[in-house]
Amino acid sequence: GENVEQHPSTLSVQEGDSAVIKCTYSDSASNYFPWYKQELGKRPQLIIDIRSNVGEKKDQRIAVTLNKTAKHFSLHITETQPEDSAVYFCAARENTGNQFYFGTGTSLTVIP
Amino acid sequence: EAEVAQSPRYKITEKSQAVAFWCDPISGHATLYWYRQILGQGPELLVQFQDESVVDDSQLPKDRFSAERLKGVDSTLKIQPAELGDSAMYLCASSLDAVEQYFGPGTRLTVT
Repeated sequence: GENVEQHPSTLSVQEGDSAVIKCTYSDSASNYFPWYKQELGKRPQLIIDIRSNVGEKKDQRIAVTLNKTAKHFSLHITETQPEDSAVYFCAARENTGNQFYFGTGTSLTVIP
Repeated sequence: EAEVAQSPRYKITEKSQAVAFWCDPISGHATLYWYRQILGQGPELLVQFQDESVVDDSQLPKDRFSAERLKGVDSTLKIQPAELGDSAMYLCASSLDAVEQYFGPGTRLTVT
C-alpha cells in the first residue's frame, strides 16, 4: 500500500514569515493529494488539495506544489498569522481503491 | 453548511467492555470512512464503505472491531472487548465522490 512521509514534525516561524511542509509518497498511481489543518480538539479541515494532473495550486496565502516524478508535494503558507498555528496533515489517495493515507503531521507554531 | 455528525464525543470505558460509536455522514455522501487517530499521529484508515458495502477493512482488527452501514447512510463502529491500546480519537469522514472528504468531530475514547 501507499506510504506517506511528512517533514518536519514541528515548525516554528515568526509571524509574517513563510512556512513550508513537505511530504513524499511511494505509490506512483496515487492521484489526489489533500492537506488538512487540525486545531487542538477539533476535526481535520480540508484547506487545499491538488490532483495529479496539476503541478501547482494556490488559494490566497496557501499554495501546494506537486512533483510527480520525484513523488513529493509541499504546502506553502505565506505571511503566516498566529491563527495558522495548528497541526497540518498531508494525505495521498490511491487510484485503485480510493483509500487515503496520511502523513504523521506537522505542528506549526506562528510566533506573534 | 452540512457536517458529519458523530456521537458520543467522549467515551470512557473499562477494558474488556464493549463500546460503540455512531456516525451520520453528510446527506448524499456514498463513501464513508472510519479512522483511528492516536495522539501525535495522522489518521489511520480502519474501514471504508461505498454505500452499504465494505470497500476496504484490511486494517480493521476483526477479532474485536466491527463496522456496519446497513442502509448505506449512518454507520456504527463497535469494539468488543476494548483494550488499553484502543485509546484514541475515532474519526468518521464522508465523501460524495471519494475525492474530497469531510471529517466529523470525532469520538475520544479512553480505555481504563
